[in-house]
Amino acid sequence: ELKVEQNPLFLSMQEGKNYTIYCNYSTTSDRLYWYRQDPGKSLESLFVLLSNGAVKQEGRLMASLDTKARLSTLHITAAVHDLSATYFCAVLPETSGSRLTFGEGTQLTVNP
Amino acid sequence: DVKVTQSSRYLVKRTGEKVFLECVQDMDHENMFWYRQDPGLGLRLIYFSYDVKMKEKGDIPEGYSVSREKKERFSLILESASTNQTSMYLCASSLPLAQRGFFGPGTRLTVL
Repeated sequence: ELKVEQNPLFLSMQEGKNYTIYCNYSTTSDRLYWYRQDPGKSLESLFVLLSNGAVKQEGRLMASLDTKARLSTLHITAAVHDLSATYFCAVLPETSGSRLTFGEGTQLTVNP
Repeated sequence: DVKVTQSSRYLVKRTGEKVFLECVQDMDHENMFWYRQDPGLGLRLIYFSYDVKMKEKGDIPEGYSVSREKKERFSLILESASTNQTSMYLCASSLPLAQRGFFGPGTRLTVL
């Protein structure tokens, strides 16, 4: 059974600080996705990582993928309050066609 | 502006009722998905469809069925609603090979 585990599940940080969210998965895959969900709203696609060593950056967020370690990271630089949300990673296993498996989500709160 | 819409944002039904959740996308996507989202469990795939009249079971299909008669519309049916189906239901669509997925706003279903 495929497992996608995010760490931490809850993160409270101060504005201006840096932090990393980790996403570990248990199967072979070279496709990983990061989504953001604001309270009461739907999921918004942030990053699509399609190969080992892929790195994508947008604003204060940077995502990377290490397929050998089966690990993706979402790094937050100099956090601001607007980044408060729940962040999900999702993995597309090699044998699953188009079926994504999601992690539990990391609830991030950035305090002023 | 691309869009995935769901028929209701909030729905309250009684145990044993038949429930229809509708999802429509305007992006001509082949793939459509139904997930449920519960606290601490992330998103779990109920059913997905990769073409008209084609469907595949996801991870938790029990108690649900789906219908896809037209490419843009994917319906989730609860044949006899039960209280454990109280949840947030999210519809999504994507191009083949799970390119960036687009999610609808969600339907919060309460079964009394």
